[in-house]
Amino acid sequence: GEDVEQSLFLSVREGDSSVINCTYTDSSSTYLYWYKQEPGAGLQLLTYIFSNMDMKQDQRLTVLLNKKDKHLSLRIADTQTGDSAIYFCASDRGSTLGRLYFGRGTQLTVWP
Amino acid sequence: DGGITQSPKYLFRKEGQNVTLSCEQNLNHDAMYWYRQDPGQGLRLIYYSQIVNDFQKGDIAEGYSVSREKKESFPLTVTSAQKNPTAFYLCASHRSTGNTIYFGEGSWLTVV
Repeated sequence: GEDVEQSLFLSVREGDSSVINCTYTDSSSTYLYWYKQEPGAGLQLLTYIFSNMDMKQDQRLTVLLNKKDKHLSLRIADTQTGDSAIYFCASDRGSTLGRLYFGRGTQLTVWP
Repeated sequence: DGGITQSPKYLFRKEGQNVTLSCEQNLNHDAMYWYRQDPGQGLRLIYYSQIVNDFQKGDIAEGYSVSREKKESFPLTVTSAQKNPTAFYLCASHRSTGNTIYFGEGSWLTVV
């Protein structure tokens, strides 16, 4: 199976909260990341969480980490149409080399 | 402004030709990476380099080559040996003492 798995699609209405889920297999992961990709563009780092934390909040973004279940989620509060993009979960699998292992990405569509 | 510059943004290549994608960073980062992205897929690592004059194969290095003659530059050559080169290519960099990886805006390669 994949090292990092995500659901492929999520649709929400503008103003609602979005929750994007991710599971990973390698328990040695030190940092877990969320990236955003708009059409035809590179990846923008949204946030990351250290493995000994269980929550991190940054403005509208909340990351929850359940290390026991190897489950990561990204919650976007008050979702806007500008949040429509692909969101990638990534793990370092404990590597100090800076290389990342990505999920396939979740396409978030926000309806007005 | 500091960042990662990839060029060209769009490139068309005839079958049998080699092509080189440029990646330049002015972040003074030690490590640089090349990833390939196919539609609906996560990113897969092609090559990475931790220091000048040294680089390592990633998960899908066959048909690709790189060089790292300068800290700022990490060009990727897609050779004619790459069977399915049409894809979106992303360059990234990372400071060896940090935990954040930054991406360029990507280059679209189409083989015609």
